[in-house]
Amino acid sequence: GAVVSQHPSRVICKSGTSVKIECRSLDFQATTMFWYRQFPKQSLMLMATSNEGSKATYEQGVEKDKFLINHASLTLSTLTVTSAHPEDSSFYICSAPSTKAGYNEQFFGPGTRLTVL
Amino acid sequence: AQKVTQAQTEISVVEKEDVTLDCVYETRDTTYYLFWYKQPPSGELVFLIRRNSFDEQNEISGRYSWNFQKSTSSFNFTITASQVVDSAVYFCALRRGTGTASKLTFGTGTRLQVTL
Repeated sequence: GAVVSQHPSRVICKSGTSVKIECRSLDFQATTMFWYRQFPKQSLMLMATSNEGSKATYEQGVEKDKFLINHASLTLSTLTVTSAHPEDSSFYICSAPSTKAGYNEQFFGPGTRLTVL
Repeated sequence: AQKVTQAQTEISVVEKEDVTLDCVYETRDTTYYLFWYKQPPSGELVFLIRRNSFDEQNEISGRYSWNFQKSTSSFNFTITASQVVDSAVYFCALRRGTGTASKLTFGTGTRLQVTL
């Protein structure tokens, strides 16, 4: 398969600070990556589509100034939660559509669990 | 608009029982893909199967089998002889078109608990 990594896997921060989460495609290039948020016992909700070299596309209701996305290279997208508050505590998951031959699905990172105190 | 419905929120079975997880979808597209993912307690999504809209053949992979019926817009997942390690949340998802860069629409998930 294809490998997508996320860093950090777990982060605890104080209210008001900013947190950056990295998503990397390790063995393929990804011009598009997706960012999801998952609250406990709920489904994955798409937050935004990250596009390499251009602005991200945010889903309705997602604050773009709150969740900054930067897709700086073909293997790296970052999500920065700015001025985090306890309600931002969640499980954040990224995915990347595989460009490897023979694969026709998105590959998911292991997720980042954010806790804002 | 696309929609995926997993009506079963939680299912509890005893080990070795068979269990079927239901998935019903809505789409106006003629070309689409359906997926099942497993999310164990660790949180990482595990890909189980992909099925395109033109392939209605059922598939079996070990203890797992999938039944795709376009007439009822359903893509159900059966685990035969369930095991404790099958305990997880299972998500059904829908993707329009053939491009992998298209968005996935997830169902709400079914939490499966397999006990001894």
